[in-house]
Amino acid sequence: DQQVKQNSPSLSVQEGRISILNCDYTNSMFDYFLWYKKYPAEGPTFLISISSIKDKNEDGRFTVFLNKSAKHLSLHIVPSQPGDSAVYFCAAGSPNDYKLSFGAGTTVTVRA
Amino acid sequence: EPEVTQTPSHQVTQMGQEVILRCVPISNHLYFYWYRQILGQKVEFLVSFYNNEISEKSEIFDDQFSVERPDGSNFTLKIRSTKLEDSAMYFCASSVQGRSSPLHFGNGTRLTVT
Repeated sequence: DQQVKQNSPSLSVQEGRISILNCDYTNSMFDYFLWYKKYPAEGPTFLISISSIKDKNEDGRFTVFLNKSAKHLSLHIVPSQPGDSAVYFCAAGSPNDYKLSFGAGTTVTVRA
Repeated sequence: EPEVTQTPSHQVTQMGQEVILRCVPISNHLYFYWYRQILGQKVEFLVSFYNNEISEKSEIFDDQFSVERPDGSNFTLKIRSTKLEDSAMYFCASSVQGRSSPLHFGNGTRLTVT
C-alpha cells in the first residue's frame, strides 16, 4: 500500500527549534488525515487530525497543514522538546471505508 | 484517561498452532479494529468490527483469521493455524465513530511464530 508516503525516515532537531514532518498521499478520495506518535514498545498515540475541508489545525505545540492540490500534509512541532523523540506516522482515511492507511513513519530525535 | 488494553504483551507459538489475541477497547467506543506491523514495515489494516459484525477487512484477513466480541468488553483476534509470516506486532484499536474519528490504539501484542 503506497497511498501514503513519508519520504524522510528520520529527522534530527535541536531542542526548542521547529520540527517539520512531511507526508504525501496519492488517493484523492482521502478526506481525513491524522498524525500519530509512537514510542518503542507502545502503540501509536493519536496527536492531531485534519479534515479536507480545512487547511490548518492547531493543538498546542502541534499544527497540521493540508495542501489538497499538492496532496501533501505536514506536521509542525514548536518548540521541540526531548519528549518528542519518537516515530511519527501520518495516516489517512476516506469516506468509503473504515480503514486508515499509514505512512512508513519518520523517526524524530530532539537533541538537547 | 481511558485506554485500550491488550493481552498478552508477547506471545510465542509454534507454526500451525492457534493463537488468540485479546483486547479490551475503550468502554464507550463502538468501532473496533485490528492492525498489524511486521518488523520494518508499515502499520497495516486487518479488520474493522461494528455492531457485532465485520464492517471491513483487508486481503490479509483471510480464512485463517477471525474476530469476536464474546462479551460486552473483550474483542479478540484468532489466528487458526499460524504461519511464520504471521510474526508481527498486532495492535487493537477502537473509536467512537467509524469514519473521521481518531483511532485509539493499545500497546500491542508481539506475536512470534517459530
